[in-house]
Amino acid sequence: ILNVEQSPQSLHVQEGDSTNFTCSFPSSNFYALHWYRWETAKSPEALFVMTLNGDEKKKGRISATLNTKEGYSYLYIKGSQPEDSATYLCARYGNKLVFGAGTILRVKS
Amino acid sequence: GAGVSQSPRYKVAKRGQDVALRCDPISGHVSLFWYQQALGQGPEFLTYFQNEAQLDKSGLPSDRFFAERPEGSVSTLKIQRTQQEDSAVYLCASSFLTGQETQYFGPGTRLLVL
Repeated sequence: ILNVEQSPQSLHVQEGDSTNFTCSFPSSNFYALHWYRWETAKSPEALFVMTLNGDEKKKGRISATLNTKEGYSYLYIKGSQPEDSATYLCARYGNKLVFGAGTILRVKS
Repeated sequence: GAGVSQSPRYKVAKRGQDVALRCDPISGHVSLFWYQQALGQGPEFLTYFQNEAQLDKSGLPSDRFFAERPEGSVSTLKIQRTQQEDSAVYLCASSFLTGQETQYFGPGTRLLVL
């Protein structure tokens, strides 16, 4: 993998559904993996910064895992709410942040 | 405020016009970054400052793009002779020390070049 790739590109779920996204990245020269949430007309908001293989982080209903050896991270949202609707960006830090294109999440009430 | 601020929030420029975008980082943050986000893509790195020193400008797309942070706080991104392909959202971020740690983003400046 040469670039940071995110899947799916977009996701529409019902309120209460749990969902997850994938971020794939080059595993060489890895220092950190960042997750951000970006709501329309607002600033991107940092969710997690992970550095160690096997890292798991949690913030409310959102959690993330990291596998630096195989170059992927998962973001999980449990019991999605309409306010979770946003674009979720991951970024790999080698000597600078390289972002994926994001996953657009829409939660219908 | 306590966050990163950017101005203007929106800018419409005629092709060939020069523009200047301002970023006020969080007070005390050493590192400052500029990113460009084209429609449908993730933000792309433009340049990085550590205090007043511009340590990496490898992402600037052409010599029409120039950034400065003369006193190690406020930064300005200047685009000369704007072209239509410069239309994008320009994001500024700051971090306490390095880019590896959490970067705090401003709301961005949406530039439209006609």
